[in-house]
Amino acid sequence: SSELTQDPAVSVALGQTVRITCQGDSLRSYYASWYQQKPGQAPVLVIYGKNNRPSGIPDRFSGSSSGNTASLTITGAQAEDEADYYCNSRDSSGNPHVVFGGGTKLTVL
Amino acid sequence: QVQLQQWGAGLLKPSETLSLTCAVYGGSFSGYYWSWIRQPPGKGLEWIGEINHSGSTNYNPSLKSRVTISVDTSKNQFSLKLSSVTAADTAVYYCARADDFWSGYSSYYYYYMDVWGKGTTVTVSS
Repeated sequence: SSELTQDPAVSVALGQTVRITCQGDSLRSYYASWYQQKPGQAPVLVIYGKNNRPSGIPDRFSGSSSGNTASLTITGAQAEDEADYYCNSRDSSGNPHVVFGGGTKLTVL
Repeated sequence: QVQLQQWGAGLLKPSETLSLTCAVYGGSFSGYYWSWIRQPPGKGLEWIGEINHSGSTNYNPSLKSRVTISVDTSKNQFSLKLSSVTAADTAVYYCARADDFWSGYSSYYYYYMDVWGKGTTVTVSS
């Protein structure tokens, strides 16, 4: 089965731009979806598809994809963006299983 | 606005069966995959499995031998049973709605979980 790989931790200065990446073979045929999770809360979908934001998600969140790598970009990071971020997709290796990346802890300095 | 409300026993002894139910309010039950995900303390998200409105299931291979997900369309509910639990099954368990479709325009598949329950903490301890 496929795996999705994320950097465990990333930091960004307040107001700056940060990119969080997710790598995996499944991303050659599936768009990654991205979830934000704050302590003690359920994950929240922030980006899905090519670059779609659910209602209520600020436009500083954007997504992109190239080859086997998907990226979540936060342009002008805010203190409230400090959270864990997970990517996910289906496993494209001929089976319908779902995989999550290991998560990236974003610290806003 | 679709909402998921989940409930179930929060404290189990080893070898018992975990049982959780998730009710769907405010939206269609058909056309989606209804999923269970868990998160052990301090760790990442793990997909457990899913079911659609017709009862077709997919399970995480690592849990498949112990997992049963079922659906009750008359109540817009779906349920998770995990048998023979151990301390390693201690986690927050979430239910979620997933959508999955092919985009002919971009020649890519979409998959995403857009609605989540609040989570149920399940502790396995003797």
